[in-house]
Amino acid sequence: DAGVTQSPTHLIKTRGQQVTLRCSPISGHKSVSWYQQVLGQGPQFIFQYYEKEERGRGNFPDRFSARQFPNYSSELNVNALLLGDSALYLCASSPFDRNYGYTFGSGTRLTVV
Amino acid sequence: SQQGEEDPQALSIQEGENATMNCSYKTSINNLQWYRQNSGRGLVHLILIRSNEREKHSGRLRVTLDTSKKSSSLLITASRAADTASYFCATDGNQFYFGTGTSLTVIP
Repeated sequence: DAGVTQSPTHLIKTRGQQVTLRCSPISGHKSVSWYQQVLGQGPQFIFQYYEKEERGRGNFPDRFSARQFPNYSSELNVNALLLGDSALYLCASSPFDRNYGYTFGSGTRLTVV
Repeated sequence: SQQGEEDPQALSIQEGENATMNCSYKTSINNLQWYRQNSGRGLVHLILIRSNEREKHSGRLRVTLDTSKKSSSLLITASRAADTASYFCATDGNQFYFGTGTSLTVIP
């Protein structure tokens, strides 16, 4: 069985541009969450979706948005990129929305120049 | 913002020794989870302890939870060089918060 897959693995963007990151959860997992991890820090929660509905939103500006598709895959969009958006973006999936461990993908390394 | 704080920030031990890391958090939780991360890549789920549990074991891992003190500890027994990684606690309450992490180095 394939794990959580994220694409692309690496990405370089210019300030002000927009970026879309993609995540495919483990088959059968209906919950997808997104996290931002800056070097040397723990991951910070951005969004959680379960059954295509937003179940949680972290303390991030409106430039960050996400959605979950009928096949449970998900996209994270970031508009008007800032240098401070440079980070590892992690996607995680789970069979349920709460009280279950998450399986993480290997992440997308975003560099904003 | 991070809800959890971990202690110590870094830990270096000899292979075969035990490693203990602690996590403190601020608000009520449904469960607390521990994850391992190697070299800044994806995290691996280690163990989940629910708010009504006090202790849980999984292989060489032992986790305790004290909700009155809002703290948890992770004990890795008989450590191996392959245990070298960063370890994070994560609290599942109104939101899912990760701690600041403990960097563990196991010296062969």
